[in-house]
Amino acid sequence: DVVMTQSPLSLPVTLGQPASFSCRSSRSLVSSDGNIYLNWFHQRPGQSPRRLIYKVSNRDSGVPDRFSGSGSDTDFTLKISRVEAEDVGIYYCMQGTHWPHTFGQGTKVEIK
Amino acid sequence: EVQLVQSGAEVKKPGATVKISCRVSGYTFTDHYMHWVQEAPGKGLEWMGVVDPEDGVTMYTEKFQGRVTITADTSTDTAYMEVRGLTSEDTAIYYCATPAFGAFYWGQGTPVTVSS
Repeated sequence: DVVMTQSPLSLPVTLGQPASFSCRSSRSLVSSDGNIYLNWFHQRPGQSPRRLIYKVSNRDSGVPDRFSGSGSDTDFTLKISRVEAEDVGIYYCMQGTHWPHTFGQGTKVEIK
Repeated sequence: EVQLVQSGAEVKKPGATVKISCRVSGYTFTDHYMHWVQEAPGKGLEWMGVVDPEDGVTMYTEKFQGRVTITADTSTDTAYMEVRGLTSEDTAIYYCATPAFGAFYWGQGTPVTVSS
């Protein structure tokens, strides 16, 4: 199975400041169709997860443009340009290129 | 509007079986895979498996292979996830989720508590 490794596991952030999360896969996520099926999800306490980013860098509908995704092959990054209070929670990367799909351990974001 | 409505919370004894349902509306059930995800306390999200409602073909992660069965009933637009031989390690919230219309929709989650 593809192992997804996220860092850091915990990230205290200051409101209005940028934040960045890393996700690395144990093998290339480039699919046979040329796409990279790397997703980012956000989960607030007590809520279902919500997808923010699909195929590395595409924002889902309604996701603020302060969120951006980048990366290639095995190394991926989610950035928040200016953190807002509603951004607290856990961020997960998930690969959908290989079966079985796999999640990273998550990065917990808290406000300082 | 796409909706995934899951069955309610369950409390089971060790060794028992639980079957969770996920009824969909707002899209054609057979057009998209249905995924199941486990959220165990303090352990993050874990992808469990998937079913293609069109033909019933399934895929599971090794951890759940042989103990979990995912099915789809196209007559009621409902997906099911059954876990057998429950242990305390299965205490978790279970989610169904599907990629439809370019988005990724989730059920509200079904808490399962395994306790003697």
